[in-house]
Amino acid sequence: DIQMTQSPSSLSASVGDRVTITCQASQGIRNYLNWYQQKPGKAPKLLIYDASNLEKGVPSRFSGGGSGTDFTFIISGLQPEDFATYYCQQYDNLPAPTFGGGTKVEIK
Amino acid sequence: EVQLVESGGGLVKPGGSLRLSCAASGFTFSDHYMDWVRQAPGKGLEWVGRSRHKDLNYITEYAASVKGRFSISRDDSKNSLHLQMNSLKTEDSAVYYCVREKSEGGSYNFDSWGQGTLVTVSS
Repeated sequence: DIQMTQSPSSLSASVGDRVTITCQASQGIRNYLNWYQQKPGKAPKLLIYDASNLEKGVPSRFSGGGSGTDFTFIISGLQPEDFATYYCQQYDNLPAPTFGGGTKVEIK
Repeated sequence: EVQLVESGGGLVKPGGSLRLSCAASGFTFSDHYMDWVRQAPGKGLEWVGRSRHKDLNYITEYAASVKGRFSISRDDSKNSLHLQMNSLKTEDSAVYYCVREKSEGGSYNFDSWGQGTLVTVSS
């Protein structure tokens, strides 16, 4: 199975900061990677699909990039509503898509 | 507006069974692959399984951790998805989400999620 390693597992940031989260796959997954946001007690929400495509309705301060084994997720200008846990998910190794361990973004 | 509403969760003893349901609305259910994803309390996300649509004979796929114990079915006439869980183990305790795949051809891009239903397996 492909392992997805997210880092950091948590971070503290201030409103307005640029936040970068990375996700590394244990083997190449082309661009078959998604990013989700989850707030406490809520279901996850798709933000980025196919590594770099912004889901409809998602603010443009969210972006993603990368291919192969190394991926990045960036929030350009953190907003109060962005404090949440973020997960990457690969779907190149099937039939079992797998998620990273998550990155909790907290208020500094 | 896409809506997915799960039901059927609850407390069950190890070795027991439970059937979860998901009522879908706001989109053409029969056109989409549908999945179940779970999240143990305080833990990350784990894909459980998937049902393809009619064009692909409703083929189902499962995570290794549930294969042989869980079964996914769907009723396109009622816009509903089901997860039959047998031989439940304590490690199956989780919130179970009903999830839609974004593309009608199947993509594992999970663009719509239900609110989740909690399953607790405990003696």
